Amino acid sequence: QSALTQPPSASGSPGQSVTISCTGSSSDVGGYNYVSWYQQHPGKAPKLMIYEVTKRPSGVPDRFSGSKSGNTASLTVSGLQAEDEADYYCSSYGGRNNLVFGGGTKLTVL
Amino acid sequence: EVQLVESGGGLVKPGGSLRLSCAASGFTFSAYSMNWVRQAPGKGLEWVSSISRDSNYIYYADSLKGRFTFSRDNAKNSLYLQMNSLRAEDTAVYFCARGSDAFDVWGQGTMVTVSS
Repeated sequence: QSALTQPPSASGSPGQSVTISCTGSSSDVGGYNYVSWYQQHPGKAPKLMIYEVTKRPSGVPDRFSGSKSGNTASLTVSGLQAEDEADYYCSSYGGRNNLVFGGGTKLTVL
Repeated sequence: EVQLVESGGGLVKPGGSLRLSCAASGFTFSAYSMNWVRQAPGKGLEWVSSISRDSNYIYYADSLKGRFTFSRDNAKNSLYLQMNSLRAEDTAVYFCARGSDAFDVWGQGTMVTVSS
């Protein structure tokens, strides 16, 4: 199972919006509504930010939103804040009882 | 407080074995599927294995080629990952995580280094 494709980096100024893409195939992202997004600060464990494409766990700000079109999922962070600077990973159910992650995107708040 | 705490990591020689543990607390452990996810130094996340609530279903990443065994003890609220025939490319932080298709609780991770 190949990793999902994410841009290695993204950036935006405080208050702006930034969107991170996650491209897979019809066997994973396009075939199931089980896309999740995780935020990871250096040296910390990942934190679930979005699940089932668009749902936010309790406590995650509504500045974070998810969407999907075809084989590509997206995470949008609106109203960027300094604390949003982190690595972001997408994941998807990949069929055949496995799960696949993206390579990660480093988000920089300028 | 909902918590997962991994242990058992360390330095091991290529070809060696190691057993990781993950202790759960603060939630009904037996009600959740659980997972191991690893992260090589400076690299991304990689799903390793998942286990159903009752251990009836256990799945592994294809890349492991049968070298790892995932188990759980619901009476002890614990997970175990037996890792055999370890290779340099298994060097990573190993996280246990709660959930089926999305992982909402993670441990802090335990480092495994495979080196001679």
